[in-house]
Amino acid sequence: EVQLLESGGDLVQPGGSLRLSCAGAGFTFSSYPMNWVRQAPGKGLEWVSIISGSGDSSHYADSVRGRFTISRDNSKNTLYLQMNSLRGEDTAVYYCVRRSDTALDIWGQGTLVTVSS
Amino acid sequence: DIQLTQSPSFLSASVGDRVTITCRASQGINSYLAWHQQKPGKAPKPLIYAASTLQSGVPSRFSGSGSGTEFTLTISSLQPEDFATYYCQQINYYPITFGQGTRLEIK
Repeated sequence: EVQLLESGGDLVQPGGSLRLSCAGAGFTFSSYPMNWVRQAPGKGLEWVSIISGSGDSSHYADSVRGRFTISRDNSKNTLYLQMNSLRGEDTAVYYCVRRSDTALDIWGQGTLVTVSS
Repeated sequence: DIQLTQSPSFLSASVGDRVTITCRASQGINSYLAWHQQKPGKAPKPLIYAASTLQSGVPSRFSGSGSGTEFTLTISSLQPEDFATYYCQQINYYPITFGQGTRLEIK
């Protein structure tokens, strides 16, 4: 079964750091670009970042550029999101999402990040 | 950035109704538009990609159309499990963007 499983969400203070992980299973992980998409409580979906299958290129939303870093380890079938200088507005459920051609076709169940003192 | 505007933002309908949700893009995005369904407390579920192609396992009562800047999602006969929030999403340009969502509730 194709699936994505996020982990690493936690309560963190403003200005702090956190690393999210996403383990992929049931497909050739390295063949697919991978995304992070987030959803603040009661709000809509916001795309955060994407990384190519090989890991050699990435893009970011303006709201996180310079603070967040996306990476992957294809030997471990794992996607990461390093989040630094966290702010209250980064509070959200973070989803790991596979890109297949022109579709975001597989979503993980999400992991909650809360930024609060 | 490409802005996606969905209308309506809220829709009240009955089981068996035919409903249509519109998504307008601030500039042309070819057919690189998708639709996702989300229920409370759950991850979004992909429904349609490339404007009109159903994801595997999605019932045929769902359909999508459009290209360029105007797109529609139609549910031909609402079922109880269809009451949810629907988002359009474009993947033609970075940043990938989503519409603000359309909440579909039971009348």
